[in-house]
Amino acid sequence: DTAVSQTPKYLVTQMGNDKSIKCEQNLGHDTMYWYKQDSKKFLKIMFSYNNKELIINETVPNRFSPKSPDKAHLNLHINSLELGDSAVYFCASSPTSGSGHEQFFGPGTRLTVL
Amino acid sequence: DQQVKQNSPSLSVQEGRISILNCDYTNSMFDYFLWYKKYPAEGPTFLISISSIKDKNEDGRFTVFLNKSAKHLSLHIVPSQPGDSAVYFCAASARDFGNEKLTFGTGTRLTIIP
Repeated sequence: DTAVSQTPKYLVTQMGNDKSIKCEQNLGHDTMYWYKQDSKKFLKIMFSYNNKELIINETVPNRFSPKSPDKAHLNLHINSLELGDSAVYFCASSPTSGSGHEQFFGPGTRLTVL
Repeated sequence: DQQVKQNSPSLSVQEGRISILNCDYTNSMFDYFLWYKKYPAEGPTFLISISSIKDKNEDGRFTVFLNKSAKHLSLHIVPSQPGDSAVYFCAASARDFGNEKLTFGTGTRLTIIP
């Protein structure tokens, strides 16, 4: 009965490959997010979706493309992977896009690009 | 441009004593502040929050203090317990074209010494 789940937990791949990370939440939340935590431990927002619609898109290379097939899922596709994409990627969800609403995080996916 | 700063990367406290974690911010548009706790190989979990119109919020052993004039907040944990050993992230919320966006600090690793 995990609230926010991500697969895979670890992903090791070669430069230039295309990969996907899946996220699912069973909390009935309207808003989902993708965050990237780099080697310096900065946790930065990448994307936010509300009811399957993109509402926040930070300055992220267009090799990254989020896809939300329904309210409970937000997948992250990454094309032409680069060394700098190595990081831990966290998915999160919240009840609505309003101030002060806590976000529930998944366990993270550690991506290593060789 | 780091809008939320946690200047102490680590902190060690004796069990039973008070732990004080600090956070500074620069953006006066932040309207909510949150603390998250993170264990290794897990996602951040919400701990406590405070609205910018308040100066204190308490929940059990956890109290958050906000000093708006100094753009500073702190998390007090008393008494500290071994299970409190984790990385603590300060986060601040602001509206981005009407949508909530969280900005995180880089975290403080708290170690409780038995």
